[in-house]
Amino acid sequence: EPEVTQTPSHQVTQMGQEVILRCVPISNHLYFYWYRQILGQKVEFLVSFYNNEISEKSEIFDDQFSVERPDGSNFTLKIRSTKLEDSAMYFCASRRGGTSNTEAFFGQGTRLTVV
Amino acid sequence: AQSVSQHNHHVILSEAASLELGCNYSYGGTVNLFWYVQYPGQHLQLLLKYFSGDPLVKGIKGFEAEFIKSKFSFNLRKPSVQWSDTAEYFCAVNALGTGRRALTFGSGTRLQVQP
Repeated sequence: EPEVTQTPSHQVTQMGQEVILRCVPISNHLYFYWYRQILGQKVEFLVSFYNNEISEKSEIFDDQFSVERPDGSNFTLKIRSTKLEDSAMYFCASRRGGTSNTEAFFGQGTRLTVV
Repeated sequence: AQSVSQHNHHVILSEAASLELGCNYSYGGTVNLFWYVQYPGQHLQLLLKYFSGDPLVKGIKGFEAEFIKSKFSFNLRKPSVQWSDTAEYFCAVNALGTGRRALTFGSGTRLQVQP
């Protein structure tokens, strides 16, 4: 069964450093998402990406964040200068699209720890 | 903006007990509804989904959910839980017609099934 894969599974970084979280969505999917879950809190939407551009972003997704689809398979989330409060589990998801009635498939997540 | 409420934060049950987890959302229009499960250390997996039609939907592993439009609810049920159902359960909503394709999640319910 095709799945969304994320690397690394755990990333520890120092405050102020840049991190790149990587995702390989399911190959025939058109919509890509990043969500995050701070420990003990709900899963929050960050950004959606379609047709090589951001289609929607939340208020969390400020200038410190960026996304890219550098080739035909990878979808990355970059945090330019990490803060302690960026520590969270980051989930990538993809959706086939075509109609609204398709579900999102999630990766296993990257746990980001900012120290 | 739409929101999702899961009123049970932590539920402890014995094996073979029946389960009902509440989910309410705030949006007056057409919605797609989902329940995702997150087993310890794993990614979010889709349990079941509602797009249209029969408001009683059946998912994997014996779970079902009922969409009651008048109550803005989509409660998850299972007649007899097993130890392996220990996980965190998330209700999620996609509000159609808002231009937003991303999911809004509830805060999650941690289910602990005791043998």
